[in-house]
Amino acid sequence: EVQLVESGGGLIQPGGSLRLSCAASGFTVSSNYMSWVRQAPGKGLEWVSVIYSGGSTYYADSVKGRFTISRDNSKNTLYLQMNSLRAEDTAVYYCAEGVAAFDIWGQGTMVTVSS
Amino acid sequence: QSALTQPASVSGSPGQSITISCTGTSSDVGSYNLVSWYQQHPGKAPKLMIYEVSKRPSGVSNRFSGSKSGNTASLTISGLQAEDEADYYCCSYAGRVFGTGTKVTVL
Repeated sequence: EVQLVESGGGLIQPGGSLRLSCAASGFTVSSNYMSWVRQAPGKGLEWVSVIYSGGSTYYADSVKGRFTISRDNSKNTLYLQMNSLRAEDTAVYYCAEGVAAFDIWGQGTMVTVSS
Repeated sequence: QSALTQPASVSGSPGQSITISCTGTSSDVGSYNLVSWYQQHPGKAPKLMIYEVSKRPSGVSNRFSGSKSGNTASLTISGLQAEDEADYYCCSYAGRVFGTGTKVTVL
């Protein structure tokens, strides 16, 4: 079964760091474009970052310089390292397969940035 | 990159057809035929309904169709059903930007 499972969310203070994981099954992360998309409470979807199969990475301006997307091919897992977190980063974070169209989504993991 | 513009809400009666617009610019929606549409029920992850403007993934009902003209893409739901009540988002690969979202209500 093709599946994505996120983990690593939680409550973190402003300025703190958190690493999200996204374990894939049924397909190979390194052979696909993999993205992170977030959704603040009661708000719309926002694209965050993408890693191409060749390893190139891209970020939304709102997270550039603070977030890093990466993958571990041996674990078939995608990551999002989030540093210098702000209240406005509070959201459900989804990992998704694709870049032009996201056809596989995880269930999401909630990140709350608050003191 | 600014979010693509969608109507906040659209409603229709069962069996009717509704259309959701998604307006961008020549730098995003208008630049490539890489617009996708997502359905999201409360508390659930989004689901891909349309990709590359008008293509349907396997398993998606043919009641859902997509089109594009210039800088505006559209999603049409025909034969509206109760289970179609959800939020819908468009997305443009160019600009890597989502729409503002549309709440569809089945009356």
